[in-house]
Amino acid sequence: EVQLVESGGGLVKPGGSLRLSCAVSGFTFSSYVMKWVRQAPGKGLEWVSSIDTSSSIIYYADSVKGRFTISRDNARNSLYLQMNSLRAEDTAVYYCARAGLKNYIVYWGRGTLVTVSP
Amino acid sequence: DIQMTQSPSTLSASVGDRVAITCRASQSISRWLAWYQQNPGKAPKLLIYEASTLESGVPSRFSGSGSGAEFTLTISSLQPDDFATYYCQQYNSPPWTFGQGTKVEIK
Repeated sequence: EVQLVESGGGLVKPGGSLRLSCAVSGFTFSSYVMKWVRQAPGKGLEWVSSIDTSSSIIYYADSVKGRFTISRDNARNSLYLQMNSLRAEDTAVYYCARAGLKNYIVYWGRGTLVTVSP
Repeated sequence: DIQMTQSPSTLSASVGDRVAITCRASQSISRWLAWYQQNPGKAPKLLIYEASTLESGVPSRFSGSGSGAEFTLTISSLQPDDFATYYCQQYNSPPWTFGQGTKVEIK
């Protein structure tokens, strides 16, 4: 069974940092592009970042470029998102996701809530 | 960036109805389009990819069509589990963008 389990969310003050983790199982992690997608409360889905299998090709949404860093550890079957200089508008549920053969998303985690507030 | 626009934003329908949701891209994306269903408090679920390919395990009442810049998700006979929010997503080129969502609610 495929599982993606996010952790690391929580309440942080504006300007602060958080590191999200995603532990995966049930598939060969090193073979798939991975993504982070977020959803602000009551809003739609927003792609945040993607990383290819060897960490060679990385993309970011303009809204997080320069502040967030995606990484992966294929030996640990884990995906990460380092979030710095957090803003109120970064408040959202952050989903870890696995791509299919192309950049659609086949599997999603349950999400972890990040709240940026004084 | 490619903008994705869904219509309608909200759709009221009854069990058994045939419903259609449209997704328009701001430029051609060939057939690189996916559809997802999301229930409240849950993660999205993949329904369709490459515009019309049904994901394994998805009921056949869901279908997708279109190419270029205009796409449609059709539910042939709405079931109680189908009252949810639906999103399209283009994967022609980054940034991978989603439509704003269409909420299908009970009439």
